[in-house]
Amino acid sequence: EVKLVESGGGLVRPGGSLRLSCAASGFTFSNYWMSWVRQAPGKGLEWVANIKQDGSEKYYVDSVKGRFTISSDNAKNSLYLQMNSLRAEDTAVYYCVRGGGSLGYWGQGTLVTVSS
Amino acid sequence: DIQMTQSPSSLSASVGDRVTITCRASQGISNYLAWFQQKPGKAPKSLIYAASSLQSGVPSKFSGSGSGTDFTLTISSLQPDDFATYYCQQYNSYPRTFGQGTRLEIK
Repeated sequence: EVKLVESGGGLVRPGGSLRLSCAASGFTFSNYWMSWVRQAPGKGLEWVANIKQDGSEKYYVDSVKGRFTISSDNAKNSLYLQMNSLRAEDTAVYYCVRGGGSLGYWGQGTLVTVSS
Repeated sequence: DIQMTQSPSSLSASVGDRVTITCRASQGISNYLAWFQQKPGKAPKSLIYAASSLQSGVPSKFSGSGSGTDFTLTISSLQPDDFATYYCQQYNSYPRTFGQGTRLEIK
């Protein structure tokens, strides 16, 4: 069974940093692109970033470029999102997702709240 | 960026009805189109990829069609469990973009 479990969310002040983690199991992690997708409270879905299996390609939505960094560790079957210079508009549930285009499996999400 | 526009934004239907949701891309995306279902407080669930291919385990009451700029998701014989919000998403180019969602409610 494919399982994706996010962690690392919480309350952070504007300008602060947070690192999200996603533990993957039930599939060969190193075979798949992985993505982060977020959803602000009461709003729709927004793709954030994705990373190729070997980490050689990474793509970001413009609003997070230069502030967020996606990475992965195939030995640990884990995906990460380092978020710096956080803004109020980054407040959202962040989902870890298997896939780079077609997003086949989603974690349950972790809530990030940016507020003073 | 490719804009994805869903219609309608909300829809009321009865159990047993057949409904169709439309998704239009601002430029051609071939068949790089996916559909998702999301229930309140839950993660989205993948229904369809490549415009018309059903994800494993998804019942055949869900079907997708289209290519280029115009796509549809059809749900036949609505059951209480089908009332949710549905999103389309293009993966033809970066950034990946979603439609604004269609909320399907019980009449």
